[in-house]
Amino acid sequence: GENVEQHPSTLSVQEGDSAVIKCTYSDSASNYFPWYKQELGKRPQLIIDIRSNVGEKKDQRIAVTLNKTAKHFSLHITETQPEDSAVYFCAASVLHGSSNTGKLIFGQGTTLQVKP
Amino acid sequence: EAGVAQSPRYKIIEKRQSVAFWCNPISGHATLYWYQQILGQGPKLLIQFQNNGVVDDSQLPKDRFSAERLKGVDSTLKIQPAKLEDSAVYLCASSLEEIRGSEQFFGPGTRLTVL
Repeated sequence: GENVEQHPSTLSVQEGDSAVIKCTYSDSASNYFPWYKQELGKRPQLIIDIRSNVGEKKDQRIAVTLNKTAKHFSLHITETQPEDSAVYFCAASVLHGSSNTGKLIFGQGTTLQVKP
Repeated sequence: EAGVAQSPRYKIIEKRQSVAFWCNPISGHATLYWYQQILGQGPKLLIQFQNNGVVDDSQLPKDRFSAERLKGVDSTLKIQPAKLEDSAVYLCASSLEEIRGSEQFFGPGTRLTVL
């Protein structure tokens, strides 16, 4: 069935180091892969997304890579800062039957702790 | 632009009681979603509306959960009767469209505790 696996579940890094979070998806028709950041007690907020016609996308210290063949995508955060500490969720789109509408399947989340 | 609004923010009830949550999406957003987020897990889609029609409710426990989106704007999610395992944060989200993926904007959520 539809599934998104996310690893690791927790990640602790020193300030200034890089952090990498990896996700795999099961539906080969998935074509939209957003990443959300959720701070404690707050709403998830989109930080970056990628579509299946692109292999990599960057936005300042954040980058996402996509390997469609292997059905996995990764979030890379460079020069981490304490304010990057949060829970990060990946998601993959799944189509509704034969229609062109879809839904998101979320991973289980990664708790990132950046130590000053 | 104003974000997705939800109320109440917190609710504590006893099992077998009823509860209702309200969501007002971003103006002009055709698609509205209700998610259940259990502590330590990712959001799980309960129901998705396109305007006032249901697109997906495959994960909605229909024996106790119901949702409606009258006039294609506001939406309410109801649980009757509640069970202990319904304790979670209920997130509402909206997007401009849902054609092969578009950004979803989340509300602040309603934290439900069932005792």
